[in-house]
Amino acid sequence: SQQGEEDPQALSIQEGENATMNCSYKTSINNLQWYRQNSGRGLVHLILIRSNEREKHSGRLRVTLDTSKKSSSLLITASRAADTASYFCATANSGAGSYQLTFGKGTKLSVIP
Amino acid sequence: EADIYQTPRYLVIGTGKKITLECSQTMGHDKMYWYQQDPGMELHLIHYSYGVNSTEKGDLSSESTVSRIRTEHFPLTLESARPSHTSQYLCASSETAATDTQYFGPGTRLTVL
Repeated sequence: SQQGEEDPQALSIQEGENATMNCSYKTSINNLQWYRQNSGRGLVHLILIRSNEREKHSGRLRVTLDTSKKSSSLLITASRAADTASYFCATANSGAGSYQLTFGKGTKLSVIP
Repeated sequence: EADIYQTPRYLVIGTGKKITLECSQTMGHDKMYWYQQDPGMELHLIHYSYGVNSTEKGDLSSESTVSRIRTEHFPLTLESARPSHTSQYLCASSETAATDTQYFGPGTRLTVL
């Protein structure tokens, strides 16, 4: 069953602008992860944030986690054309179903040169 | 780039054929996974393995079968392919728990006519 749900479904921005994507989930989690998928390819892991963390940075990526609102956001600063891809959040649920990651439907990001 | 490989990358076959999708990883990971993904949609776990001779079905019911005779190899077999099996199949592995970082192969896009 779907746990994470990304918003917006699609986002189009100019190169150099910042891109923000959101993920909401329903049940308690151990961690939340963001992955990138270029068209027709496999997923690439970007960042993992644990349930006791509020913010994490990696290069131009900033992830926040609000467990009280059951939501996370991914910010890509100073976007580049090469950032064009689909971005998925994946939740590692605590308790039942904790043997797997549950993926959302993704946000399709287009960065226009 | 993760050291996880899938062949073939693209496969177009007729109904009723038996097919095997290959997945290999050179990272020595015990845990491996197969996901099914339709265009623009989320990933669904169809099979996973925690080590040699261990295989389990995921949340999404699938007519495919898997085997794990060697740590590095996790092939997926469809005995009789049907048009409803048309999809992208992604293989992944993880070093520790399934809920930690997963490393994905490039995927196999299967079309059954």
